[in-house]
Amino acid sequence: QIGVTQEPSSSVSPGGTVTLTCGFYSGPLSDKSFPSWYQLCPGQTPRPLIYGASVRSSGVPGRFSGATLGDKVALTITGAQPEDECDYYCVLYTNGGDWVFGGGTRLTVL
Amino acid sequence: QVQLQESGPGLVKASETLSLTCSVSGGSISGPDWWTWVRQSPGKGLEWIGEISHSGTANYNPSLKSRVVISVDTSRNQVSLVVTSVTAADMALYYCARDRKVYVDGESWYFDLWGRGTLVTVS
Repeated sequence: QIGVTQEPSSSVSPGGTVTLTCGFYSGPLSDKSFPSWYQLCPGQTPRPLIYGASVRSSGVPGRFSGATLGDKVALTITGAQPEDECDYYCVLYTNGGDWVFGGGTRLTVL
Repeated sequence: QVQLQESGPGLVKASETLSLTCSVSGGSISGPDWWTWVRQSPGKGLEWIGEISHSGTANYNPSLKSRVVISVDTSRNQVSLVVTSVTAADMALYYCARDRKVYVDGESWYFDLWGRGTLVTVS
């Protein structure tokens, strides 16, 4: 199965900015990769943050933004809050017709 | 408001079959959306298991395809997941989610709605 890369961990200071990235191990994204991002906090249900690479899901604060960066997509948190200390997952759709999650990025806010 | 609720036995014996149900309330399971199963094993990340349309067309994770069947019952507004020959590696929190089509400079899809998940332990 095709693999999806994410940074295993990242850290940011409160109020700071951090960018997480996501891409295929094997090559660039396509128009049919349908990238989206999810936040998973301890004891909570996965929360959709971004879809279509850059559109915020309903109710998501403006400090979360998404973009395409070359062969990858990126999730940026601008003005990080302590409650943003969670795991972040991207998921991509493959040419084979299945979805693949990245391994997730554990974000520390300190 | 549409809600998803997973249910099933919390404990399954190794080598036996796991069966879970996702009940959809507040809306119809029929329509353009697909319905997806995702799991998270202890200490690990999210893993996509498979998805199904209301008409019964299913796609599966290649690594699980030989042991997984997803089905839909539109009369009960439910989606089911069966995993055969379970091992300790199948112990996880299982989520169902709605796979919604959206338009962002063309068609796109994402998992916009999730159930709370159901924990499965393998003994």
